[in-house]
Amino acid sequence: DTGVSQDPRHKITKRGQNVTFRCDPISEHNRLYWYRQTLGQGPEFLTYFQNEAQLEKSRLLSDRFSAERPKGSFSTLEIQRTEQGDSAMYLCASSLALGEYQYFGAGTRLSVL
Amino acid sequence: AQKVTQAQTEISVVEKEDVTLDCVYETRDTTYYLFWYKQPPSGELVFLIRRNSFDEQNEISGRYSWNFQKSTSSFNFTITASQVVDSAVYFCALSYSSASKIIFGSGTRLSIRP
Repeated sequence: DTGVSQDPRHKITKRGQNVTFRCDPISEHNRLYWYRQTLGQGPEFLTYFQNEAQLEKSRLLSDRFSAERPKGSFSTLEIQRTEQGDSAMYLCASSLALGEYQYFGAGTRLSVL
Repeated sequence: AQKVTQAQTEISVVEKEDVTLDCVYETRDTTYYLFWYKQPPSGELVFLIRRNSFDEQNEISGRYSWNFQKSTSSFNFTITASQVVDSAVYFCALSYSSASKIIFGSGTRLSIRP
């Protein structure tokens, strides 16, 4: 069990560019979550997968955001045409079952200049 | 509405003091789960405890203890004999049985001074 890993840890991009983040959950976990955390706030839910199916999306997930989990293992979160307001820490988590505690990765910190 | 409130934004105490972090939650569900997570400066959220709504028994784990009171919708966290390594941001959180997401409070930044 190597924990939840996220790549990259830091990303600096210019406004208008596209970025993609990757999350590798704990291997036996079939549920995977994405959260966003801005400075001084708690994480906010973005979206959730059970295996390869995306079952819930937050209103925070605008049309510029897309998440995939093609084979029910790793997941990617893409942000198109980044804006300065997208600057945040993007956290990935995984769990075995609903209501079970979620194991979090170290996050990807995005800075949009 | 479902909400978690951590009214204490920052707390600073001297090492070895006891400190209590407050958490108040709101939910209409009868089945729900409450959590505490720790976020050290490295940024990774570390799970501390999960409690379901039917289990009001208080829990102690070493220097950590949790007081769950449904009557006041509170789930407070106490660190006894605090240590510098306890310095971190602590988040209280809520999840329902029927939903997938965890709703986090805004966190309490705890600083333990030597």
